[in-house]
Amino acid sequence: GAVVSQHPSRVICKSGTSVKIECRSLDFQATTMFWYRQFPKQSLMLMATSNEGSKATYEQGVEKDKFLINHASLTLSTLTVTSAHPEDSSFYICSAREIAVSYEQYFGPGTRLTVT
Amino acid sequence: ELKVEQNPLFLSMQEGKNYTIYCNYSTTSDRLYWYRQDPGKSLESLFVLLSNGAVKQEGRLMASLDTKARLSTLHITAAVHDLSATYFCAGDFGNEKLTFGTGTRLTIIP
Repeated sequence: GAVVSQHPSRVICKSGTSVKIECRSLDFQATTMFWYRQFPKQSLMLMATSNEGSKATYEQGVEKDKFLINHASLTLSTLTVTSAHPEDSSFYICSAREIAVSYEQYFGPGTRLTVT
Repeated sequence: ELKVEQNPLFLSMQEGKNYTIYCNYSTTSDRLYWYRQDPGKSLESLFVLLSNGAVKQEGRLMASLDTKARLSTLHITAAVHDLSATYFCAGDFGNEKLTFGTGTRLTIIP
């Protein structure tokens, strides 16, 4: 149980285009989902917290107009990188917290974004 | 400022040896987590430590938490090659968000 999926696993896009990444909790309902970014050989940095039915909360320094987050249901959150640039190339990982077990976060397999 | 620091950052050890990774944090933590990350992969949950004095063990890995010292440790016993990975600790500091440590890249040498 407690499986989180992400789609796509890898994406290559051209500079200036937008890319959408989906995060789904497959067998549980998630009130809260988190989006992280990880640059090579670095730690994970929280970008934003996404609550179902409300606006996402962004961490300091993260542009909300560039990284659009939508949490339309208890099993799906999406991250859209708008007008992507090469410096947005990174490993994006989502996690989801199950309603009944508030302290556990379950991580998705990640999406590797390369902007050319 | 909230900080989670791990040491060492890099660790190369021989198979069969024991070693400890340290995770220090700067403020009171509700919970402390340990994760493993293999190259190109996402995180695998290892342990969740919920209270002072908590100790959890799984195979060759054992994690402990000392909330008074603001310290968690991940101890590796009789290391094997399969344990080569990057290990992260992360704390929940009351806002239900995780703050990750710097990571420790562990390489087990035959």
